[in-house]
Amino acid sequence: NAGVTQTPKFRILKIGQSMTLQCTQDMNHNYMYWYRQDPGMGLKLIYYSVGAGITDKGEVPNGYNVSRSTTEDFPLRLELAAPSQTSVYFCASTQRTDTQYFGPGTRLTVL
Amino acid sequence: QKEVEQDPGPLSVPEGAIVSLNCTYSNSAFQYFMWYRQYSRKGPELLMYTYSSGNKEDGRFTAQVDKSSKYISLFIRDSQPSDSATYLCAMKGRGADGLTFGKGTHLIIQP
Repeated sequence: NAGVTQTPKFRILKIGQSMTLQCTQDMNHNYMYWYRQDPGMGLKLIYYSVGAGITDKGEVPNGYNVSRSTTEDFPLRLELAAPSQTSVYFCASTQRTDTQYFGPGTRLTVL
Repeated sequence: QKEVEQDPGPLSVPEGAIVSLNCTYSNSAFQYFMWYRQYSRKGPELLMYTYSSGNKEDGRFTAQVDKSSKYISLFIRDSQPSDSATYLCAMKGRGADGLTFGKGTHLIIQP
């Protein structure tokens, strides 16, 4: 199993550009999550999904959108990138509602 | 008051020492408690998981949860330079929503 994979690893965006961060898991987990981690801070929840077709907002959803059309994939969309979205983004998944397993992250810079 | 408080460090100890890492929290609904290890520029890696109060031991690592004091700890025995990383505490209540993280403690084990 590859676990949780994320692409791209790094990306630089200009203000106002859009992009999609990809997340895929091959463990057949129902629950998937997106977090962001700013320097010196813990992770904050952006969006989560309890299964295909079901998503919900987390603590910091503004400026982001998600979709979940399959069990495996949970992409995160940034529509109008802003400097405040410069961060490291982590995707996680789990089959239970307690522990979560994280991907390697996408490092995003918005200039 | 933040939901989860964790001293960011850095905490520097000599190789072989016992390390004590701690978090306090305010939300009495938290039932699941986790410790993640994060190496520089990597995703968080699940280290220990505890449900409700009590102790759990895994090799050189021991996790303790005291729900009455809203206080959790991670002990590392016979610390090694490879233990140098950021340690994040995380917790959640019942349900499918995400984890609430501390800011992480940066640990340095000196050879």
